[in-house]
Order: sequence, then C-alpha cells, then structure tokens
Amino acid sequence: DVKVTQSSRYLVKRTGEKVFLECVQDMDHENMFWYRQDPGLGLRLIYFSYDVKMKEKGDIPEGYSVSREKKERFSLILESASTNQTSMYLCASSSSRRTGGFQPQHFGDGTRLSIL
Amino acid sequence: AQRVTQPEKLLSVFKGAPVELKCNYSYSGSPELFWYVQYSRQRLQLLLRHISRESIKGFTADLNKGETSFHLKKPFAQEEDSAMYYCALTTDGGTSYGKLTFGQGTILTVHP
Repeated sequence: DVKVTQSSRYLVKRTGEKVFLECVQDMDHENMFWYRQDPGLGLRLIYFSYDVKMKEKGDIPEGYSVSREKKERFSLILESASTNQTSMYLCASSSSRRTGGFQPQHFGDGTRLSIL
Repeated sequence: AQRVTQPEKLLSVFKGAPVELKCNYSYSGSPELFWYVQYSRQRLQLLLRHISRESIKGFTADLNKGETSFHLKKPFAQEEDSAMYYCALTTDGGTSYGKLTFGQGTILTVHP
C-alpha cells in the first residue's frame, strides 16, 4: 500500500518565520504535489514536481517554494510566513505510468499549519 | 483553463434515501474525472474514476460529455457515507504529470 508521510500533523509558527513542511513517499513515484485545503475553496495546487530537482508552479505559488533533492522527498517552504497562509496542507504522489489512464494521486494525512 | 464546479457545499439525506452529488466541469478536450472522499479524521482517498466504470461502496458516476458532468450517485445512502467529497479532473496535455483540478467539495451528511 502506498504510504505518503507528512512530517507534522500540527504546526504553529509566527509571522515572518521560514517554515518547512516535509513529505516522503515510499512507492518510487515520479510525481509529487503540494496542495492547500481551505473550506469552500477545495484543494488548490501550490507546486508540483515530476522528477528530482524539477518543479513547476501550480495555481497559487506566491509566497511558497519547493525542493526535491531526492525522489522520495518533497519539501514545501514558506519563505516568510504570513497569517493568510494558515491552512491545511496536503502532499500527494503519483506514478507517471499511463497504463489505463492517469494514475490516481495518493495523499498524506495533512499538516494543519497556524501562523500567529 | 479547466474548471470543476460542485454546486452544493452541503447535502443532507436520510439513511436509505438516494443521493446524488453534482459535479460539472469545463474543458474542451477529453478529461479524466475522479471522485475523492475524505472521511472524518482520515486522509483524502480515491473513491472512483470514470475510466474504470466500476461501482465502489455502492457509488457510481457516469461521465456525460454532452452536459460536461460527472455526478456521483448512490441508490441507498448509509450513515458511513457521511464525508467530504471532491470531484477532480485531469487532462492530457502531452505529459504524464496527472495534475488535478479539484472542485470546492461537498459535505454529505446521512442522518439515521
């Protein structure tokens, strides 16, 4: 079974801090994704990566950056945290294999981040 | 750009009643559609995908390209179906990334 592990379930940080959210997957998936989940807005894609050291912006990349130095690990970085970045953050991974269509994404438990 | 709309934020039904969660999309090409579900205190997980044309936990969804819809249906709702449901779309842009565009989500509550 695919396992996507996010390092923290809950995190509280202060405005202006640099924040790191870590995500690890154990299925050798090529693709990894970071979303934020807000009530009434659904999931919105922040960044994704399709290979080591490769990254692409999603729909709401402003204020975020990412790092993928190893295939299994994808980090989301809030360069200078602000209160409007308080949210639930979800990491996901998927295979690039196209047999039978796009492969589904597998999600972690999420990190609830509060910026004070 | 593609868009997914779930018009109902909240949907309440009684146990044993039929349920339909609506999903409409806008995309001019041939998308792949998914339904994801998030039960209380659990991670988001795939419920079903249109390409599989299968029934999962009694739920079915048919892709209607004419109406650009992918509604999720179940003839007899159960209390354990109470959850947040997301409709999502991915498109073949010549890549294998499988980026998903999600709807806003519908919270389904099944009353005893």
